[in-house]
Formats: sequence, C-alpha cells, structure tokens
Amino acid sequence: DAGVIQSPRHEVTEMGQEVTLRCKPISGHDYLFWYRQTMMRGLELLIYFNNNVPIDDSGMPEDRFSAKMPNASFSTLKIQPSEPRDSAVYFCASSLAIDNQPQHFGDGTRLSIL
Amino acid sequence: AQSVTQPDIHITVSEGASLELRCNYSYGATPYLFWYVQSPGQGLQLLLKYFSGDTLVQGIKGFEAEFKRSQSSFNLRKPSVHWSDAAEYFCAVAPMNSGYSTLTFGKGTMLLVSP
Repeated sequence: DAGVIQSPRHEVTEMGQEVTLRCKPISGHDYLFWYRQTMMRGLELLIYFNNNVPIDDSGMPEDRFSAKMPNASFSTLKIQPSEPRDSAVYFCASSLAIDNQPQHFGDGTRLSIL
Repeated sequence: AQSVTQPDIHITVSEGASLELRCNYSYGATPYLFWYVQSPGQGLQLLLKYFSGDTLVQGIKGFEAEFKRSQSSFNLRKPSVHWSDAAEYFCAVAPMNSGYSTLTFGKGTMLLVSP
C-alpha cells in the first residue's frame, strides 16, 4: 500500500519567495496533519484537518503560513513570503477517524530558505 | 497542558547490548502513549502504542515498552540492539477518550550503536 506521499523532498529557495509543500494522504484516512521539525523546537503540530475541514490551526506560526485541503487526497502548506527561520523539515501525516488510531507519516520535505 | 520529557538527548549502546530509552509524561489522566522511530531522511514510523490493558506492550522490530502509572513513565526497551536500530526515537502522548486527539511529542533521543 502507498504511504503518505510528500513533495518535494527537498526545497531550496530564496527569502521572500513563495513555497508550496504538497501532501497526498493514505487513501481512506480522514485526518491529515502538518508538522514542522526543527532542532530547537522538535516536532510541532501546525494544523490538522478532518474530512478536508481545518479543525485546529493554532500551531500555525504566522499569517505567512496557510494550509488547504481541497479534496480527500491532497493538501498543501504554503509559506508566503518565506523567511530563513522557516527552514525546517515539514511532515505530513494521516490517520483513520477512529479514536487515536496511529498517525502515518510521510518522509518529509526539507526546506531551506536562503 | 500535557507534556512529554525524554531526558536523554543521545544514548550510545554497543551492538548486542540491551537498551532502555526513558519517557515521562505530564498529564491529568492516563493518556494514550506511543513510541515512534525516525531513521535519517525519513518520516516517523510507529513502533508500539499503549491504550489500555496489559502495561507491557510489544512492538515491531523486537521493541517493547512498559507503562508505569505511578511513575508517569513509558520506557522503551530492547534486549539486544542491532546496528540498524541507530535512529532517533520519539515518545508521544494523546489524551484518552476525547474523540480524535492530537499527539504531543517529546524532543527525541538519538540512539547511536557502536560496534
């Protein structure tokens, strides 16, 4: 079975540019999560969706960050404009809508903002 | 607010030796508990989880973890470490019986395996 698929795997761009990260969750999963991982702060939940609807975006750091889930098989995380402090690994995860079913993670996007 | 503490940032173990990674949580009630492993350049993979019942849970790759309510701990163990176990390990918690809940992760423990 295909797991959670993220693209691109690596992104290097200059400060001020728009960055779009993509995620395809596991088919049939109702929940989708976006995380950010840095050395200083560890793994942080940014936002999560249930049935394509954003449920909790309290972890989104600033208005420069936005996330959408237009359908059950696709989500994007956008940063505009990007800043060097946004450099991190961004993970997408998905899970079934059963109480505390484990989350399945993608391999992440390593983002470097110069 | 719930929190997870993994007191060891790095641990080095000789191949074939036993391993114990520590995890303590702070929460008002017993939460759901998880251990994940992250290999370099990859996402997190679930090793095992505790929801209820037997406090000693078995996971994949020969790992096990024991839930101790009195100590608010959920330590991960393996009797004999293999070089392929070198990775970063994350403990995580989620509130119990609250519908779908979100995970709170510890900062991780990096396991190094020496020959």
